[in-house]
Amino acid sequence: KAGVTQTPRYLIKTRGQQVTLSCSPISGHRSVSWYQQTPGQGLQFLFEYFSETQRNKGNFPGRFSGRQFSNSRSEMNVSTLELGDSALYLCASSLNLNNEQFFGPGTRLTVL
Amino acid sequence: AQSVTQLGSHVSVSEGALVLLRCNYSSSVPPYLFWYVQYPNQGLQLLLKYTSAATLVKGINGFEAEFKKSETSFHLTKPSAHMSDAAEYFCAVNDNQGGKLIFGQGTELSVKP
Repeated sequence: KAGVTQTPRYLIKTRGQQVTLSCSPISGHRSVSWYQQTPGQGLQFLFEYFSETQRNKGNFPGRFSGRQFSNSRSEMNVSTLELGDSALYLCASSLNLNNEQFFGPGTRLTVL
Repeated sequence: AQSVTQLGSHVSVSEGALVLLRCNYSSSVPPYLFWYVQYPNQGLQLLLKYTSAATLVKGINGFEAEFKKSETSFHLTKPSAHMSDAAEYFCAVNDNQGGKLIFGQGTELSVKP
């Protein structure tokens, strides 16, 4: 079975721009979660989707948003990028809620 | 609120020595606990999980962890370190309310030849 895939793997943007990151879960998995990883703050939960519904949201500003499609693929969007948004964004999928999560390789976002 | 504390941001061992990475958690409900490993420029790989079954959990690559409720700990061990074990290790807790994992700050493991 193919693992979690994330596109693009690397992205460079400038302040004020917006960005969309994509995540394809493992086939059959219905839950997708997103995390931000930075050297200073570590791994922080962004949000979780299950059956196209946001089930849980972390403590991030409204510039961070996401969605899930009927095929369980998910996207997250960050608008009005700030330097502090530079991070590794990780997507994880699980079969259902409360199952173990399997992570993708991440998208490395650099904001200049 | 749930939290995870990993003692030691950096642990260095010699090849063949015991690996012990410490994790303490706080949770108001019986937690699910996980250990993940991250190699450079990669995502997280699940090593093992505790979900209220056996307190001693065996994972991949020879790792195991013991859940001790009285100590609120879930330390990760491996009897004999290999060079390939050098990576960053994360302990995480889930409050059984969905997919939100709370991670510790991570412990970077170095293995000396």
